[in-house]
Amino acid sequence: SQQGEEDPQALSIQEGENATMNCSYKTSINNLQWYRQNSGRGLVHLILIRSNEREKHSGRLRVTLDTSKKSSSLLITASRAADTASYFCATDRPGGSYIPTFGRGTSLIVHP
Amino acid sequence: DAGVIQSPRHEVTEMGQEVTLRCKPISGHDYLFWYRQTMMRGLELLIYFNNNVPIDDSGMPEDRFSAKMPNASFSTLKIQPSEPRDSAVYFCASSFSLVAGVGELFFGEGSRLTVL
Repeated sequence: SQQGEEDPQALSIQEGENATMNCSYKTSINNLQWYRQNSGRGLVHLILIRSNEREKHSGRLRVTLDTSKKSSSLLITASRAADTASYFCATDRPGGSYIPTFGRGTSLIVHP
Repeated sequence: DAGVIQSPRHEVTEMGQEVTLRCKPISGHDYLFWYRQTMMRGLELLIYFNNNVPIDDSGMPEDRFSAKMPNASFSTLKIQPSEPRDSAVYFCASSFSLVAGVGELFFGEGSRLTVL
């Protein structure tokens, strides 16, 4: 079964706007990761955030984690057309095996 | 390093044929994963190996699927016989261990399988 679920399923914005994607999960986790997938390509790792962390930044990316609400968000600031992709969160599998389980992803389209 | 290398990138076959997908992980990574991606089910973990040993194959759909990792630099996923519902993109990924958990996964470009 899937642990994490992204929301919204699809997001369409204009270049320069911010994009926010959310991930909710069901059971306690050790790590949460965000990945990006361009059309026809493999997934690329963006950020890993540990359960004892609340926020991490990487360039234009900001990830937050709220373990009390079992949710995470990925914010892309000043979006570019090149950010058009699907974004996935991955959480540990239930049972503590630490193996990432992926949600269905958010499809982001950034219009130039 | 060239990253995770998968072959073939595309495979079209007829129902009943044997399909073998191949993966070369990144050198030094001790975890290898096989995932399957479809529109209906998203990205599903099929099986993973740690130090060449299969740890959990509970995601393998049925006995028609088998995976091997004969050495640290090579893994195969075999489907025999193939069926149209096996049509999907199959990804191989590798990773190294963390003190608590698995590090970031490095994915190959995938093998797109179409079974007619």
